[in-house]
Amino acid sequence: SAVISQKPSRDICQRGTSLTIQCQVDSQVTMMFWYRQQPGQSLTLIATANQGSEATYESGFVIDKFPISRPNLTFSTLTVSNMSPEDSSIYLCSVVVGVSSYNEQFFGPGTRLTVL
Amino acid sequence: AQTVTQSQPEMSVQEAETVTLSCTYDTSENNYYLFWYKQPPSRQMILVIRQEAYKQQNATENRFSVNFQKAAKSFSLKISDSQLGDTAMYFCAFMKHGSRNDMRFGAGTRLTVKP
Repeated sequence: SAVISQKPSRDICQRGTSLTIQCQVDSQVTMMFWYRQQPGQSLTLIATANQGSEATYESGFVIDKFPISRPNLTFSTLTVSNMSPEDSSIYLCSVVVGVSSYNEQFFGPGTRLTVL
Repeated sequence: AQTVTQSQPEMSVQEAETVTLSCTYDTSENNYYLFWYKQPPSRQMILVIRQEAYKQQNATENRFSVNFQKAAKSFSLKISDSQLGDTAMYFCAFMKHGSRNDMRFGAGTRLTVKP
């Protein structure tokens, strides 16, 4: 298993500013992901955080808006840039442990972001 | 593309009763995984149960069981002896075999267990 922590747990930000969310895992993991969960909606994958290289973004998400870093196997950051009220969401970090054809995906507690 | 549909936005059940949450999906894949995740008010997503498509036997985890109908592309979750702690959002999810970063989630069902 994996224990995931995220900082901050919640924040209220002003339009036009940026927020960096941290994800820390208690063990080395194979894959790390960032999801967005808009109010009352399901989870949408933003990107896969790749260690030592640029993240792989899903359709509709771009690096300029959501820059991601993953300097090692246990840590990643997601920045929400130039925020607008539409960015108000819960942002979740997720990890996969192991290298077999299936490994359980674990989720962090999420960061609740409100943009005014 | 795979899609996951949960047609029940909200459900409620009396404590100790049984409730079934519905999920259907659309895929052309033959080998895949299906999941039910629970997200309580604390927001921590927790895996409830997992089913491999190549297994005909329905998965069971204590009070949680699934009814997997591959031909009908249906994957319902049955919660027996409901407890107050079962109150949460439940998400059905799909993932292709061999794809560890392509999990698709349904819209979720908010379950309330009433005392």
